[in-house]
Amino acid sequence: DTGVSQDPRHKITKRGQNVTFRCDPISEHNRLYWYRQTLGQGPEFLTYFQNEAQLEKSRLLSDRFSAERPKGSFSTLEIQRTEQGDSAMYLCASSLLGTTYEQYFGPGTRLTVT
Amino acid sequence: AQSVTQLGSHVSVSEGALVLLRCNYSSSVPPYLFWYVQYPNQGLQLLLKYTSAATLVKGINGFEAEFKKSETSFHLTKPSAHMSDAAEYFCAVSGGKGAQKLVFGQGTRLTINP
Repeated sequence: DTGVSQDPRHKITKRGQNVTFRCDPISEHNRLYWYRQTLGQGPEFLTYFQNEAQLEKSRLLSDRFSAERPKGSFSTLEIQRTEQGDSAMYLCASSLLGTTYEQYFGPGTRLTVT
Repeated sequence: AQSVTQLGSHVSVSEGALVLLRCNYSSSVPPYLFWYVQYPNQGLQLLLKYTSAATLVKGINGFEAEFKKSETSFHLTKPSAHMSDAAEYFCAVSGGKGAQKLVFGQGTRLTINP
């Protein structure tokens, strides 16, 4: 069990640029979640997948955000035309359907938009 | 819908003293409840979980929590604080079996004084 991994760990970008983050879940986990955490706050739910299907999206996920999980394994989160308000830690988590649904988190990707 | 309130954004205790971190929840369905710990610039690590079995739940690193339905509380305790316990702690709720997202509180920063 290698845990959830995320890449990159840090990203600095200029306003208006596009960025893409990757998440690799625990290998047998079929559910994958994205959360956003701003400084001094708890994580906020963005979206989740069951296998390759995206089943729920938060209202926080504006049209500039898109997430995919094409083969039901790794996932990508893309932000287009980044804004300073997008600066945050982006956390990925995974869980196994049919268990007690505890979610295991990756180390996160810290995005800074200048 | 679910929500979590963590009372006290900062808690400071002496090494060896009792740790008590407070969490109250609101849920329209029987909840699952979780405590996570976050060290600086890292993801979240699961400390313990309540999933409708025993109301007193024991977790890692000597922490435990008690689910009290009448008080809608799930407070986290540890009999004797250690310097390594200094971190941010998050309480989270999900809508029970089959639920997807976690709803987090704003977190409590625990400081341990030597």
